[in-house]
Amino acid sequence: SQWGEENLQALSIQEGEDVTMNCSYKTYTTVVHWYRQDSGRGPALIILIRSNEREKRSGRLRATLDTSSQSSSLSITAAQCEDTAVYFCASSDNMGYKLTFGTGTSLLVDP
Amino acid sequence: AQTIHQWPVAEIKAVGSPLSLGCTIKGKSSPNLYWYWQATGGTLQQLFYSITVGQVESVVQLNLSASRPKDDQFILSTEKLLLSHSGFYLCAWSKTGEAPLFGEGTRLSVL
Repeated sequence: SQWGEENLQALSIQEGEDVTMNCSYKTYTTVVHWYRQDSGRGPALIILIRSNEREKRSGRLRATLDTSSQSSSLSITAAQCEDTAVYFCASSDNMGYKLTFGTGTSLLVDP
Repeated sequence: AQTIHQWPVAEIKAVGSPLSLGCTIKGKSSPNLYWYWQATGGTLQQLFYSITVGQVESVVQLNLSASRPKDDQFILSTEKLLLSHSGFYLCAWSKTGEAPLFGEGTRLSVL
């Protein structure tokens, strides 16, 4: 899981495998954002899930949000080499002026 | 056309020298604007946000300042750089309640 003072986590999988990344948030949150960041580039938003949603899907991506345990997960189905990136979760309230990022998960998908 | 433009792309500066980084948003009226800093291999730390021209809120103190002289422009600066200022500076924009969308960043090396 990513958060707080933990170091960046690293995952290595084979192409075609499924993978799940977890994130827990410490402060009151109503929105969880998932970003991916390719090397040397700015983060790109891939999925956003709000506290009134338990699950959100976008293509091969699936995000979940559990407000009781203050946790979120991002799953990638049938990972492809182009999914190789660093994935960050970030939490905010509904206004979204302040975004708190997790420590990130570095995903490597081998062919 | 690219919505968010950051300049310069990269800078190499001496300790104690001044710094000014810029960010321009095209085609969006009254955007919320944000500055983030990312250490190499690290997570993103929000520095400032601005909801309107002339008003900037500080999220974390890093001996940096920000200004919003125009609706579509956000400037990050300091009069005296420290070694610890090295890293990747990211500007982002959003409408209230929506996820920030990031620019491609400025890579700063302080020597």
